[in-house]
Amino acid sequence: GQNIDQPTEMTATEGAIVQINCTYQTSGFNGLFWYQQHAGEAPTFLSYNVLDGLEEKGRFSSFLSRSKGYSYLLLKELQMKDSASYLCAVRATYNQGGKLIFGQGTELSVKP
Amino acid sequence: DVKVTQSSRYLVKRTGEKVFLECVQDMDHENMFWYRQDPGLGLRLIYFSYDVKMKEKGDIPEGYSVSREKKERFSLILESASTNQTSMYLCASSPMDHYEQYFGPGTRLTVT
Repeated sequence: GQNIDQPTEMTATEGAIVQINCTYQTSGFNGLFWYQQHAGEAPTFLSYNVLDGLEEKGRFSSFLSRSKGYSYLLLKELQMKDSASYLCAVRATYNQGGKLIFGQGTELSVKP
Repeated sequence: DVKVTQSSRYLVKRTGEKVFLECVQDMDHENMFWYRQDPGLGLRLIYFSYDVKMKEKGDIPEGYSVSREKKERFSLILESASTNQTSMYLCASSPMDHYEQYFGPGTRLTVT
């Protein structure tokens, strides 16, 4: 079956660094996405990894290890506005439509 | 900027009613998606479409149908609404050869 696991909740302090992990077991793999979703709003795209390694984009970085079925999202210099849900999603196969499988999301609370 | 709009932010319907949720995107995207989002379950794909008049079942299509008569519009239909269809419904779109999905603001549907 298809399975994506991420922690349900995390808490971190303003200015700190936090790492949100995601493990996946899927029938195939054609890319992993991270989305950010603030309460009551639509998810917005953060990052995409298809090859092993680290992708950096400002304060946010995302890492992928395909052999381990593992990714993480790293948030540096945390700000209060980073309090949100972070969704990990996998494109399991190359098929028409670009179908994604989502994890349940990690609710991050940033405290002063 | 890509814009995905949904017909209503909040909707209240009675059990047994036929419900239409409309989604429109203005970026000429080929792919469109309907998800529902429930606490603890994450985003689950209901139906998707990769071309006009084409539709594919997602992971939880039971109780739903869709229509895509024009490229920019993708409708989700609940033939006979039930209380277990109370949820947040999110529409998304993406270009054919690009993996990132753009989400609409969501419709919170309550079935009483």
